[in-house]
Amino acid sequence: GAVVSQHPSWVICKSGTSVKIECRSLDFQATTMFWYRQFPKQSLMLMATSNEGSKATYEQGVEKDKFLINHASLTLSTLTVTSAHPEDSSFYICSVYDGSYEQYFGPGTRLTVT
Amino acid sequence: QQQVKQSPQSLIVQKGGISIINCAYENTAFDYFPWYQQFPGKGPALLIAIRPDVSEKKEGRFTISFNKSAKQFSLHIMDSQPGDSATYFCAAGPDLSSGTYKYIFGTGTRLKVLA
Repeated sequence: GAVVSQHPSWVICKSGTSVKIECRSLDFQATTMFWYRQFPKQSLMLMATSNEGSKATYEQGVEKDKFLINHASLTLSTLTVTSAHPEDSSFYICSVYDGSYEQYFGPGTRLTVT
Repeated sequence: QQQVKQSPQSLIVQKGGISIINCAYENTAFDYFPWYQQFPGKGPALLIAIRPDVSEKKEGRFTISFNKSAKQFSLHIMDSQPGDSATYFCAAGPDLSSGTYKYIFGTGTRLKVLA
């Protein structure tokens, strides 16, 4: 399956600042990637579908101006949390869709906003 | 029509025992049913998956049973080991009616296997 990396694995930022999380598909050209957030002991919540070369499709209730997604190449999608606040603290996970039902997850990024 | 109900929420099993986790879905258009294993602080990893045209799939100690008419599927972990202690998520999809390839995830089951 596809190998997916995320950077950084862990980030602390101050309230009001922005933070960018990178998701890379290391061995697969991904036209579709997904971004999830996960709170402690909860399930994965899909935030948006990232499509290479086009605008992301956001889930209902997700602020597209706050969570900026850019899928500029077949191997890289980025999630920027703008004007972060403590309630944005969470575990952010990306996944790569292989076009044949399977999706492969990255290791996740722990965001803490102080 | 977009929910996947997963049970139990938590499960404690003795080493060597059988762990059984159940999921139920509503959307009959779903075409793929994967199970993921997640360890604390890590991303989920695909464990095993099944298409609705088969009733059972086995890979090593892991078996998926699928009941299309009941819209239910389950994960069986045979000879459970302490290393299997993790959170397990079922999923169903893709939801092609939405124009995307997204999946719906269950709420997760925290499995603890006692040594």
